[in-house]
Amino acid sequence: EVQLVESGGGLVQPGGSLRLSCAASGFTFSSYWMSWVRQAPGKGLEWVANIKQDGSEKYYVDSVKGRFTISRDNAKNSLYLQMNSLRAEDTAVYYCARDWYPSLGHMIWDYWGQGTLVTVSS
Amino acid sequence: VIWMTQSPSLLSASTGDRVIISCRMSQGISSYLAWYQQKPGKAPELLIYAASTLQSGVPSRFSGSGSGTDFTLTISCLQSEDFATYYCQQYYSFPGTFGQGTKVEIK
Repeated sequence: EVQLVESGGGLVQPGGSLRLSCAASGFTFSSYWMSWVRQAPGKGLEWVANIKQDGSEKYYVDSVKGRFTISRDNAKNSLYLQMNSLRAEDTAVYYCARDWYPSLGHMIWDYWGQGTLVTVSS
Repeated sequence: VIWMTQSPSLLSASTGDRVIISCRMSQGISSYLAWYQQKPGKAPELLIYAASTLQSGVPSRFSGSGSGTDFTLTISCLQSEDFATYYCQQYYSFPGTFGQGTKVEIK
């Protein structure tokens, strides 16, 4: 059974930092691109970043470029999101999700974790 | 940028009803559309991809149709466990983007 379990969320002041983790199990983690997707309170879903199987390619939504860094450790079956210079608008539940390509070059997310809440507030 | 209009934003229905949710694109996306279900406090779950292909394990009362700019999600006979929020997602262009969501509530 595929499982994705996020951790590391919490309350942080504007300008602060936080590191999210996602522990994966039930599939060959090193074979998949992985993403972080977020959902602001009462709002819709927004893709944040993704990373290639070997970590050699990373992509980000414009609003987090230069502030967030996605990484992975395939030996530990873990995905990470280092978030720096946090802003109030980064407040959201952050989901770890497995990328899936039903058609070459076209990505959706077939498994999601339960999410971890990040609150940026003074 | 592909703009997505999902409607209605709120739908009140009863168990056993047929429910239809619409998702309209600002430009053609072929069949690169997925639908997700999200229950309160839970992660989204993939229901349908390629506009009409049911993800493994999804009940057959769910169906999707459309191509180009207009898509629909139909629940043929609403069950109690179907009361949730539904999102469409285009994956024609990177990164995929989501509609605003449709909350299906008990009438």
